[in-house]
Amino acid sequence: AQTVTQSQPEMSVQEAETVTLSCTYDTSESDYYLFWYKQPPSRQMILVIRQEAYKQQNATENRFSVNFQKAAKSFSLKISDSQLGDAAMYFCAYRSAYGRQGAQKLVFGQGTRLTINP
Amino acid sequence: DGGITQSPKYLFRKEGQNVTLSCEQNLNHDAMYWYRQDPGQGLRLIYYSQIVNDFQKGDIAEGYSVSREKKESFPLTVTSAQKNPTAFYLCASRERGAYNEQFFGPGTRLTVL
Repeated sequence: AQTVTQSQPEMSVQEAETVTLSCTYDTSESDYYLFWYKQPPSRQMILVIRQEAYKQQNATENRFSVNFQKAAKSFSLKISDSQLGDAAMYFCAYRSAYGRQGAQKLVFGQGTRLTINP
Repeated sequence: DGGITQSPKYLFRKEGQNVTLSCEQNLNHDAMYWYRQDPGQGLRLIYYSQIVNDFQKGDIAEGYSVSREKKESFPLTVTSAQKNPTAFYLCASRERGAYNEQFFGPGTRLTVL
């Protein structure tokens, strides 16, 4: 079974600075998808960024980018120019590319609580 | 507007009572999911459904039941057999396509007194 580990329960960063959240995963599969979700105080889960395992290029969405190291099974999230609205729980998640699509469940890490200091 | 609605936002029940959480989506998604969120544990899959009248157990299905009579609706019943039902419950749906992500509802906070 796949597992996802986020080793940083809490992180803090000064507004406008850059922060990196860590995520490692364990799988024997070669094709899969990785996601970062944000959960603000409203508790609504919001997709931040996704990465396909067979794509070597790191995904980027505006101020959010990932460092995907497939051999090391690492998938970190970098937030540049941190803003107060970035304060939230961040979850790393894994999804297999095999099997029927509706059965491809998300496996989540434990989450990292990010605080932005003004 | 398309999206996923969950009701109610907060739910209180006495111990030993069954309770049903609502999840409705108007995104025309085939697959729907129920997750449970506890502090420090991330989200864990309870049940999922790929099509109408079909559903499968997830990782923590004991004490829960679901139905999928309509494409838009995927209600979750928390039965008295669930030993620790107090938690935050999230419903999600997903469109066909390998690259597509799951969209989540706003969640329901269930407290059993």
